[in-house]
Amino acid sequence: DAEITQSPRHKITETGRQVTLACHQTWNHNNMFWYRQDLGHGLRLIHYSYGVHDTNKGEVSDGYSVSRSNTEDLPLTLESAASSQTSVYFCASSGQSSDTQYFGPGTRLTVL
Amino acid sequence: QKEVEQDPGPLSVPEGAIVSLNCTYSNSAFQYFMWYRQYSRKGPELLMYTYSSGNKEDGRFTAQVDKSSKYISLFIRDSQPSDSATYLCAMSLSGSARQLTFGSGTQLTVLP
Repeated sequence: DAEITQSPRHKITETGRQVTLACHQTWNHNNMFWYRQDLGHGLRLIHYSYGVHDTNKGEVSDGYSVSRSNTEDLPLTLESAASSQTSVYFCASSGQSSDTQYFGPGTRLTVL
Repeated sequence: QKEVEQDPGPLSVPEGAIVSLNCTYSNSAFQYFMWYRQYSRKGPELLMYTYSSGNKEDGRFTAQVDKSSKYISLFIRDSQPSDSATYLCAMSLSGSARQLTFGSGTQLTVLP
């Protein structure tokens, strides 16, 4: 069955380190998204991509970057992790004619 | 002011109760309205999808949209402990799931 996976599921890192969170989907969806979820803020869009080599900034993109070299993967990089980036990160994807986004299981990131 | 406002709860109800979850929004251009359900430590999954004003029913769930009041609701009849989750409303300007604006979510607990 098609699916969307994220790795790692849990990550603890130190302030200033570079961290990359992986997202892989097997639906062949063109659209992929990264969100962070924090209490009281719901899901906030970090970056998104509508296809290979396309990337766009979302609402809370400062300190994050993405690259899209193929259809299946959209890794999220924290260039220099900060404690304010402690959060749960969700990747999602959707097809061109899809009416919904499909979410991965999430990555819980702690920055000490 | 956030574009989409949702009472975070938490909301606790006894099994069998009727539950009403609500969101208000400020952008009158939103046309598509969704409810996602998120179980603890899981990604959100689409529960209901509606277009424009009106009601949509699916089993024990009814989604209601009142565009004139910029108000949407999700009703759960005969609530079950398995309905315990966080419910997030989401909206978009177009039918494609490219740009969704989420509410912050309401945490619901159904007590047996």
